[in-house]
Amino acid sequence: DTEVTQTPKHLVMGMTNKKSLKCEQHMGHRAMYWYKQKAKKPPELMFVYSYEKLSINESVPSRFSPECPNSSLLNLHLHALQPEDSALYLCASSQERGHGELFFGEGSRLTVL
Amino acid sequence: GEDVEQSLFLSVREGDSSVINCTYTDSSSTYLYWYKQEPGAGLQLLTYIFSNMDMKQDQRLTVLLNKKDKHLSLRIADTQTGDSAIYFCAETSTGGGNKLTFGTGTQLKVEL
Repeated sequence: DTEVTQTPKHLVMGMTNKKSLKCEQHMGHRAMYWYKQKAKKPPELMFVYSYEKLSINESVPSRFSPECPNSSLLNLHLHALQPEDSALYLCASSQERGHGELFFGEGSRLTVL
Repeated sequence: GEDVEQSLFLSVREGDSSVINCTYTDSSSTYLYWYKQEPGAGLQLLTYIFSNMDMKQDQRLTVLLNKKDKHLSLRIADTQTGDSAIYFCAETSTGGGNKLTFGTGTQLKVEL
C-alpha cells in the first residue's frame, strides 16, 4: 500500500464553523506533513510531525490545529477560518523527517465562505 | 532563505522532447527532486538526484545537474499528452534544515 488517503476531498465551511481534515497512511512512514497550496503555486509547508510529535510549525495561525493520534493518522482541525484560507490542503508522508521523497495525498479542497 | 526558480510555462508538440529548467541558490543542497502535479491531484515524485551526481536517467526522464551553476534540468523524451502537468523541482539542504523547498513550478502543455 503506497497511498496517502485524505478526506474529505472537498469541504465548504463558513467562518464560524469547526471542521477537520483527515489523512491516513499505512506505509510505516514516521514523518507526516501538512501543506497548503494555492492555485498554480508551489505547496507551502505548514506542519511536520516526526514520530507522532510536532517538530515543525511554520508560524501557522492558531485557527489551524494539527493532531497526530497515531503513526498512521494526521488530522488538521479548522476553526474560525478566513476566506483567504481557501486552498488545497495536501497531506504527505516520508520514511523519516528530512527525507525529500514525499508521498502526497490527493488533497482536500477547502472553500471558506 | 533558499530560492528555487523555474520558468512558468512550456509548450511542446507531442513526440518532441521537453526540457524543464530549475535554478537554486543554496550551495548546501544534498538532494534535488522533480515532482509532477496533474490537475486536481497531489504531487507525485518522478525522480531525484544526489548532489554529487551530474546525470541520472530513468526511462524517458533524464535529470542533469550542474552544481557549479546551481542548475537542474528535467528532459522528457517523446513527450505525450499525459505528460501535461505542473512540474516542481525541489531541494533539501543542510542549510535549510533538511526541509524540502519547492520551486515555483513549470506548467507543461503538450499539443497534438
